[in-house]
Amino acid sequence: AQKVTQAQTEISVVEKEDVTLDCVYETRDTTYYLFWYKQPPSGELVFLIRRNSFDEQNEISGRYSWNFQKSTSSFNFTITASQVVDSAVYFCALSEAIKAAGNKLTFGGGTRVLVKP
Amino acid sequence: NAGVTQTPKFQVLKTGQSMTLQCAQDMNHEYMSWYRQDPGMGLRLIHYSVGAGITDQGEVPNGYNVSRSTTEDFPLRLLSAAPSQTSVYFCASRRGLAGEGVQETQYFGPGTRLLVL
Repeated sequence: AQKVTQAQTEISVVEKEDVTLDCVYETRDTTYYLFWYKQPPSGELVFLIRRNSFDEQNEISGRYSWNFQKSTSSFNFTITASQVVDSAVYFCALSEAIKAAGNKLTFGGGTRVLVKP
Repeated sequence: NAGVTQTPKFQVLKTGQSMTLQCAQDMNHEYMSWYRQDPGMGLRLIHYSVGAGITDQGEVPNGYNVSRSTTEDFPLRLLSAAPSQTSVYFCASRRGLAGEGVQETQYFGPGTRLLVL
């Protein structure tokens, strides 16, 4: 069975500090996808990134970066020089990559990030 | 494109009442699904559909029914509402698998907040 663990329930930082969100996953599949979603206070879910299990390159997008380490089953997310607009709940999610899996995304419990001015 | 739309945004029900949460997408996505979000638990899959006329159960299907008569619409029915169904409900859609082992990104609607008294 798939499982995603986000051990940090809430992180509070001061603006311009860096913040790293941990995500650890479990799966027996050799092919899978990992995702990060952002949920701002307005409530919608915003897609941030998708990564497949064969691509372990780290990725950077502006102030966001992701560190995928298959050896430790982790897919951590770092926000550099945080801003107040980064305040949100961030979800890590895992999906199998076979047709029989249907539409299932397994989500972690989420990490609430609070960036104070 | 409007993307994924959901109505209503907010609903209050009394125990035992029935209602339908509406979901529509205009991206011609094959896959649609319903999740519920509860505090500290991330999102959990209720039902999903891999195409018109085909639906299947997710992780927490009890108390909910779905149907998929068209590609665009995927309504979620609560047959007899219970306080345990108080939650935020998200509808999501994505394209069908591009091939074995390729997973497409799911896009979420804005959510419906449901309160059952």
